Order: sequence, then structure tokens, then C-alpha cells
Amino acid sequence: AQTVTQSQPEMSVQEAETVTLSCTYDTSENNYYLFWYKQPPSRQMILVIRQEAYKQQNATENRFSVNFQKAAKSFSLKISDSQLGDTAMYFCAFLTSGTYKYIFGTGTRLKVLA
Amino acid sequence: GAGVSQTPSNKVTEKGKYVELRCDPISGHTALYWYRQSLGQGPEFLIYFQGTGAADDSGLPNDRFFAVRPEGSVSTLKIQRTERGDSAVYLCASSSRLAGAESNTGELFFGEGSRLTVL
Repeated sequence: AQTVTQSQPEMSVQEAETVTLSCTYDTSENNYYLFWYKQPPSRQMILVIRQEAYKQQNATENRFSVNFQKAAKSFSLKISDSQLGDTAMYFCAFLTSGTYKYIFGTGTRLKVLA
Repeated sequence: GAGVSQTPSNKVTEKGKYVELRCDPISGHTALYWYRQSLGQGPEFLIYFQGTGAADDSGLPNDRFFAVRPEGSVSTLKIQRTERGDSAVYLCASSSRLAGAESNTGELFFGEGSRLTVL
């Protein structure tokens, strides 16, 4: 069975600084997708960034980028130039290609300090 | 509407009562999911619909929980004889098709959730 582990329950970062959130996963599959979702206090989860396992190039979306290490089964999220609006819970998620059951980690609460 | 809509946003009920939580997915999304999120935890899978049928209900905790999607659009999660342990945020999400299918990002679109409090 697949598992997703986020070992940092809480983190904080100063505004404009860079922070990295960790995520590791366990799977025997070769084709899968990894996601980072953001859940602000309003509760609605939104997709931050997505990575296909078959792609070696790390995904980037503006200030958000990932460090995908397939052999190490690691998928960290880097937020550059942190903004107050980045304060939220961040969930790492895994999905085997061609299936529907997403597996979520327990989340990291990020607080951006002014 | 443009996004996934869930009602009610908050529901307070007494132990033993019956509750219904409604989800209106994004128009055209065939896949619909219900998740339960307890305080400080990640979403926990409950049930998945593909169209009108429940393709996988293995995450429903017991037979007090039931969900329907009669016309392949709106879904209702039904909880009978509620217990205090059922208190959580119930999230609904939809997507257009399975990840890996052509032109699909695999992205889930979530509603804001329904917070259920059982006294």
C-alpha cells in the first residue's frame, strides 16, 4: 500500500524568505503523480503544483517549485519569496496513474511572519 | 456554479440524529469524491463515484454512512444515528477523469467542506 509522510507538522518563515516543506512516499508503482495542495483557513484546498513521475524535470509554478527525487521517493516543495498569503496547511498527495485513490499526507502548517 | 459547492457549510446536531451533506460538483465532472478531515489530519478517503455508481465505498467507516449520486451530478452523504466521533469536516472533490487519461491533469477540485459537529 502507498503511504505519504510529512514529517514537519509546523513551520514558519519570514516574509520574502524561502522555505522548503518535506514529503516522502512509499510505493512499488512506477507510474504515478505527486501533488502539493494548499488549504488556507477558509478550508478550500487548491492545487499548488503537480509532478508526473516519468518526468525528470522538476515542476515549477511561479514562486513554487519541487525537488523530486524518484529513487529516494522524496518530493519537497520550495516556496520562494514567501508571502503572507502563503500561510496555510500544505498537503502532499500521491496518485497511481490510471487509478482514482489519492493518498494524502498529514499536512504541514506553514505560517509566514511579517 | 464555477466551483464545487457544498452545503451546509456548518452543521451542529445532537447525538443520534440523521444528517445529510450535499455536494454539487463542477459541471461535467464525472468523478466525485468524499473525504473526511479530522482536526490536524489530512483528508481521509470515504467514497468515490464515477458517474452515478459508487465505484469504491471502501472508506466508509460503517453502515451508518451512505452516499448517493442518482443523476451523476449532485451527491449526498448521509449519516444515520450520528456519534460524537463523526465530528469532522467533510470534503467533496470532483475531477474530469482519471489521471493518466489524455488531457487530464489529475487535479482534484475541492469544495469548502461541511463542518459537522455532533454534540
